[in-house]
Amino acid sequence: DIQLTQSPSFLSASVGDRVTITCRASQGNSKFLAWYQQKPGKAPKLLIYAASTLQSGVSSRFSGSGSGTEFTLTITSLQPEDFGTYYCQQLNGYPAVFTFGPGTKVDVK
Amino acid sequence: QVQLVESGGGVVQPGRSLRLSCVASGFPFSSYGMHWVRQAPGKGLEWLAVIWSDGTNKYYADSVEGRFTISRDNSKNTLYLQMNSLRVEDTAVYSCARDKRLYCVTNACPGSDGSDLWGQGTMVTVSS
Repeated sequence: DIQLTQSPSFLSASVGDRVTITCRASQGNSKFLAWYQQKPGKAPKLLIYAASTLQSGVSSRFSGSGSGTEFTLTITSLQPEDFGTYYCQQLNGYPAVFTFGPGTKVDVK
Repeated sequence: QVQLVESGGGVVQPGRSLRLSCVASGFPFSSYGMHWVRQAPGKGLEWLAVIWSDGTNKYYADSVEGRFTISRDNSKNTLYLQMNSLRVEDTAVYSCARDKRLYCVTNACPGSDGSDLWGQGTMVTVSS
């Protein structure tokens, strides 16, 4: 089975900071990886798909990169509304793989 | 408007069954693959199952394979999750989600662009 790890598991940063979250896969992935933001009590929101494509309507301060086994989500200038938990999701595998990472909780100071 | 609304959750004893529903509106339901995802209290997201747009193929997480069945009725714009032999560890919020784009070939879906529309979820509590 494909396993995903995320680092860090928690981060606290100030408004305006640049924040990077890393997602590592136990098996190589082409570029079928997505990033979500989830706020408490709310449904997840798709931010990035295909590793680096910004979902329509999502702020351009979010960006994604990577391929193979290491992917990153970057928030270029952290805003107060960016708090929440961020999940990566592997979407590449046979016959079908949709594994989520364990999540990274982001706190805005 | 474009939305997914789940129902059918509740409190059930271990070993019993429950069927969840997810009604879609505002988009061509029959054109999209659909997922069920759950989240146990205080825990992360766990993908459970996917079904192709026409219902011909389905895939499951190992944790629910053989106990849960995903299905859909495109004439009713409704997705289902039949849950049998429920366990205490199945306690979670269950959500349906629309796949933005499933890349499928015969008998496999080796790629996807993720889930771009989610319901708010329905709570399932398994307890004696």
